[in-house]
Amino acid sequence: GAGVSQTPSNKVTEKGKYVELRCDPISGHTALYWYRQSLGQGPEFLIYFQGTGAADDSGLPNDRFFAVRPEGSVSTLKIQRTERGDSAVYLCASTPGPIGTGELFFGEGSRLTVL
Amino acid sequence: GENVEQHPSTLSVQEGDSAVIKCTYSDSASNYFPWYKQELGKRPQLIIDIRSNVGEKKDQRIAVTLNKTAKHFSLHITETQPEDSAVYFCAASPPSGGSYIPTFGRGTSLIVHP
Repeated sequence: GAGVSQTPSNKVTEKGKYVELRCDPISGHTALYWYRQSLGQGPEFLIYFQGTGAADDSGLPNDRFFAVRPEGSVSTLKIQRTERGDSAVYLCASTPGPIGTGELFFGEGSRLTVL
Repeated sequence: GENVEQHPSTLSVQEGDSAVIKCTYSDSASNYFPWYKQELGKRPQLIIDIRSNVGEKKDQRIAVTLNKTAKHFSLHITETQPEDSAVYFCAASPPSGGSYIPTFGRGTSLIVHP
């Protein structure tokens, strides 16, 4: 596709439920990032993939959060036992290679609301 | 880890005035400093960036300056226009996992009054 695609655009769930958020990066981009943006805040790093492997997952807040990228393209962020504090916009971004040299291409985000 | 402070949180100017947003960072290993613009409900988009071997970079009405000794960098917008109204984020990129992961500031909401 022309840009990074994220689904769903909006997700409302109840506390304790399981949620999956999907990211389809720009074709050919090997690096993929997940960020979380709370209201009035900057994007907060969660995890970075280079190919299929998670090169850096130091931003995942706890073991309820997990992400995969099994074929080196589409990635899924999985949140177990959701809590109200998980409510935020989850942004995915991709780059042609390791970020050291340029722009993060962001998707429109998935807005998660935990009731 | 890296810590990025951004000021001011809100900036209100008249059309045609200049706007300056300032950021500081903590990790001296950071070497890439992008600025993103985010309009309401939209994705962040890169507007300009600077690397640690350069002190200043300009692109039309936008300029960035970097002082690595002071760990300080700034965004300057001249001749502001109403369409410049948005939230602006600075970021500093320390090395991690073979790459450089941007750490973002909290953002500056720029309002340009016609």
